[in-house]
Amino acid sequence: DADVTQTPRNRITKTGKRIMLECSQTKGHDRMYWYRQDPGLGLRLIYYSFDVKDINKGEISDGYSVSRQAQAKFSLSLESAIPNQTALYFCATSDFVSSRDEQFFGPGTRLTVL
Amino acid sequence: AQSVTQPDIHITVSEGASLELRCNYSYGATPYLFWYVQSPGQGLQLLLKYFSGDTLVQGIKGFEAEFKRSQSSFNLRKPSVHWSDAAEYFCAVGADRGSTLGRLYFGRGTQLTVWP
Repeated sequence: DADVTQTPRNRITKTGKRIMLECSQTKGHDRMYWYRQDPGLGLRLIYYSFDVKDINKGEISDGYSVSRQAQAKFSLSLESAIPNQTALYFCATSDFVSSRDEQFFGPGTRLTVL
Repeated sequence: AQSVTQPDIHITVSEGASLELRCNYSYGATPYLFWYVQSPGQGLQLLLKYFSGDTLVQGIKGFEAEFKRSQSSFNLRKPSVHWSDAAEYFCAVGADRGSTLGRLYFGRGTQLTVWP
C-alpha cells in the first residue's frame, strides 16, 4: 500500500466551482505539504503544516486554503476554481528527526479547470 | 531564502553515454541537498541526498552526486545512461536551521531524453 495517497487522481471541473483535494499518509510524519507543478516551473509550495495546529503559507497560497484534519490528513481547497489553477498537484510528507526533511511524495492529482 | 538553479532545461544523450545534470544552489549555511526523479505520469522519487560528511553520495539506479561547497553545486552524474532513465530530474535544497527549516526549494527541472 502506498504511504502517501491522494484523491482524486484526476479531476475536471468548471470555473467557479469549489474543489477539494485530499491527502492521507501512513508514514506517521508530522510535516505535510501541498505543491503545484506547472511545465517549466518546477514545484511551487502552496501551503505546509508542521503539525495539526500549525499551518503556513507557501509561495503561491492565493486562491487556495488548507485543512489539517488529523496528523495523517491534509486537504487542499480551491474555493472558486479558475483556469490558471489547472496543474498537477502533489502532496508530500516529511519528518525532520528521522530523515532531515527528505520529502515523500504522493502520486499527484491532475486538475483541469475549464 | 534558499534557491536552486538548474541551468539545463532539456538534455539529450545517447543510450550508454555518460550524463551530468547541473544544479547550483544559494544558501548561506550548510544545505541539505536532494535529487528527485519524475517519470512520465508519476510522482517524485528520491534518487539521493546529502546532509553532511562525504561529499560524493551514491544513490539508486546507479546515480551519484558531488557536493562542492566552493562552487555551490550538487551535480548529478551517471556513467552510462539507460533508456529507462528518460525522465525529469529535480534538484532541491533545504535548510538546517532558521525560518525556512522544514521547507525544500526546488529547481525548475531538467528533462532528459535518451536516444536508442
